[in-house]
Order: sequence, then structure tokens, then C-alpha cells
Amino acid sequence: NAGVTQTPKFQVLKTGQSMTLQCAQDMNHNSMYWYRQDPGMGLRLIYYSASEGTTDKGEVPNGYNVSRLNKREFSLRLESAAPSQTSVYFCASSPKTGGLNSPLHFGNGTRLTVT
Amino acid sequence: GENVEQHPSTLSVQEGDSAVIKCTYSDSASNYFPWYKQELGKRPQLIIDIRSNVGEKKDQRIAVTLNKTAKHFSLHITETQPEDSAVYFCAASKVDKLIFGTGTRLQVFP
Repeated sequence: NAGVTQTPKFQVLKTGQSMTLQCAQDMNHNSMYWYRQDPGMGLRLIYYSASEGTTDKGEVPNGYNVSRLNKREFSLRLESAAPSQTSVYFCASSPKTGGLNSPLHFGNGTRLTVT
Repeated sequence: GENVEQHPSTLSVQEGDSAVIKCTYSDSASNYFPWYKQELGKRPQLIIDIRSNVGEKKDQRIAVTLNKTAKHFSLHITETQPEDSAVYFCAASKVDKLIFGTGTRLQVFP
């Protein structure tokens, strides 16, 4: 099992460019999440998908869109990148729906720089 | 609102000493409280978790305590070792998601 796989590992964008961060899990988990990590601010939830076919906003959704393509895959799209979106992005998954009481499993992260 | 506060932000201890990190949460419906360790350049990894029907849980040198009435929980690391140096995050559940604290950078000096 690969667990949670994120691509790409690194990306540099110019302001205004768009891109999609990919995430896939092979653990048959129901829930998937996108977090961003900035120095001194911990992990902040951008969007999540509690089950296939549903998506919901987290704490910091502005400037992002998501697609739960199927049970395995959950992508994050930046339509018009801004320097404020420079961050490390982590995808995570969890087996649980109907109330989270099991751990999140994280991917290795995507380091995004917007110039 | 959704808020998890974590203290201290940095903690330096001598090898062999104990380290304690404290978190408070605001949502009384939270019932799951994991702790993650993140080494430099790596992903967060679960080290221990506790559910609301339990007051304390231990796993070798680490333990977590939960006070639901006061809405706070703590991570205790005993006999610290240099390899314990990392950033530690607490989190609290809110329905289908986890809200994280801002992290504690622990440094263990030999």
C-alpha cells in the first residue's frame, strides 16, 4: 500500500497561473482533506470531502476549488494563483464518516511557491 | 467558533527530562483528540490519540490526558531523547473534520 500519494512534490507558479494538485489514496478511505501549512499557523483546513460525492469548505477555502473525482482521488485547484497561496499543501484521508473519531493519514505534501 | 489553542509554541528540555504540551478546544461536541509529530520536511504522523470516553492513555514514554469539563488535553513525554525533537500538533474533532493547534517546536538537548 502506498497510502496517500500527492503530486507534484514541488511547483513554482507565476501570479495568475492555474494548477491542480493531485491526491490519491489506496486505503479505501471514505473521507479526504486538503490542508495548508504555513510557518507559525499550524495546519489549516481548506476543503474536505466526508464521503464520495460530497465536498465542504474548511477554514480557508477562498481561492481554491476541489473535486472528489471518485473514492480514491481528491484534487485541489488554484484558478488564479496569488503569492499568499505560497505554502505547503497536505492531503489526508480517514476511514470514517458520520463523525470523525479515527486518525488522518497524510501524504508527503506539495511545496508550492507563487512568485 | 472552531478553535484549538496550543501552548507553548517552543519548548527546550535537557535529554532525560519530561516535556508537557497543552491544548484547549472550544467545541464541547469534540470527541476525538489526536497528537501528531512532524519532523523537518516530513509529513505529520500520528503518535497517540484519545477519545472522549477515556481520561488518560499511555504508550511507552508518551501519554495524553483529557479533561472534558475544562476542555483541555495534554501530551506528556517522559525521558526525552534527541530524536523526540520535532514539531508537535494537537487536534480536536469537529463533526467530520480535525481542527489543529498551531504547533509546539520541541528541542531536546543532549
